[in-house]
Amino acid sequence: EVQLVQSGAEVMKPGATVKISCKVSGYRFTDYYIHWVQQAPGKGLEWMGLVDPEDVDPIYAEQFQGRVTITADTSTDTADMELNSLTSEDTAVYYCATGRRGSEMYVFDYWGQGTLVTVSS
Amino acid sequence: QSVLTQPPSASGTPGQRVTISCSGGGSNIGGNTVNWYQQLPGTAPKLLIYTNNQRPSGVPDRFSGSKSGTSASLAISGLQSEDETTYYCATWDDSLNGVVFGGGTKLTVL
Repeated sequence: EVQLVQSGAEVMKPGATVKISCKVSGYRFTDYYIHWVQQAPGKGLEWMGLVDPEDVDPIYAEQFQGRVTITADTSTDTADMELNSLTSEDTAVYYCATGRRGSEMYVFDYWGQGTLVTVSS
Repeated sequence: QSVLTQPPSASGTPGQRVTISCSGGGSNIGGNTVNWYQQLPGTAPKLLIYTNNQRPSGVPDRFSGSKSGTSASLAISGLQSEDETTYYCATWDDSLNGVVFGGGTKLTVL
């Protein structure tokens, strides 16, 4: 059974950096990309970026470029997403999701359970 | 403002057929396939339709997708009360070099 298990909820101060992990199991880690998606309270889904566990260079959404870092560690089958310079607008649930290789790289078959990040002074 | 445009709400009665539209442009829907996700409150989204019209294993055939030009649609036939939730379309945007989502459509079963 494919599972993506994310780290727990975080409460952060404005200006801080948050790091969320996504540990996968049930498949070979390098068989899928890992994407990250943000969902603010009561709002829609916003794509943040993706990483290919076999590759070094992630792709980031323009609106997060410069603030987000997505990495993958094949030794632990874990992907991490780090977001810095947090503001209240970053209060959201963050999801990791798998993306297929090839032309269907943006088909998100499996999702993590989500991690709530609350930014508050 | 989402790159892909969906109606914020839709409704239907049990047994009815409803469609949800998703409108984009040449750099996204016009040149790439469309996926649909269903999100129940408080849970992660679930893949409902991929590559315009393919259903993952376990998704009832009441759900179907289509694409024409720069627009796509999700159709739900034989509407059931458990279909009352939010639906998102998504695709790749070649200009933005990233995934774009619609704003989501909240479906109400009357």
